[in-house]
Amino acid sequence: GAGVSQSPRYKVAKRGQDVALRCDPISGHVSLFWYQQALGQGPEFLTYFQNEAQLDKSGLPSDRFFAERPEGSVSTLKIQRTQQEDSAVYLCASSANRTASGNTIYFGEGSWLTVV
Amino acid sequence: DQQVKQNSPSLSVQEGRISILNCDYTNSMFDYFLWYKKYPAEGPTFLISISSIKDKNEDGRFTVFLNKSAKHLSLHIVPSQPGDSAVYFCAAKPFYGGYQKVTFGTGTKLQVIP
Repeated sequence: GAGVSQSPRYKVAKRGQDVALRCDPISGHVSLFWYQQALGQGPEFLTYFQNEAQLDKSGLPSDRFFAERPEGSVSTLKIQRTQQEDSAVYLCASSANRTASGNTIYFGEGSWLTVV
Repeated sequence: DQQVKQNSPSLSVQEGRISILNCDYTNSMFDYFLWYKKYPAEGPTFLISISSIKDKNEDGRFTVFLNKSAKHLSLHIVPSQPGDSAVYFCAAKPFYGGYQKVTFGTGTKLQVIP
């Protein structure tokens, strides 16, 4: 498709389980972001890639969160030993620009994670 | 510490009237401001932006006003239409060159009543 694609759309995980969330950015987009949106909150920045380089991971809440983009296209956000506070929508966004101004960022529909 | 604040979680407006959504920010480094619109089960989509060298930017029915001294911006929608019913996020970032992450507010849910 032409947009940012995320999978799975919905995931229910038992506490302690590991999960992996996938993002397929728009083809050719160099910049890729992950955001976390808790219920009733705005998106919170997690991490940023420029091609395969992870240039900013300052928003990752703990060392249980890990993201990669090994070939500069598809990205995976992995959460180890999930906890209830990890329940949120995880949004992926991409941009054709390295400077990634907000008006050039395209968001996916999100992966809804519920930890029970 | 919420650097971008949207104090009204919801707003209801009659179709055809003006919708005014407000946003305040605390970080003086923010120089570029954006509004995103989000429908249920979809990702946010960019709506309109403004840089700090301006105090107004208009795009069709949407106008954003910026008051730098008050660290306040607002989005006006005139006339409001039922299809405008969505959650609106205010967002901000520094404008200097290179990548800078966007900081979002908590959103205002707008309902336009036919």
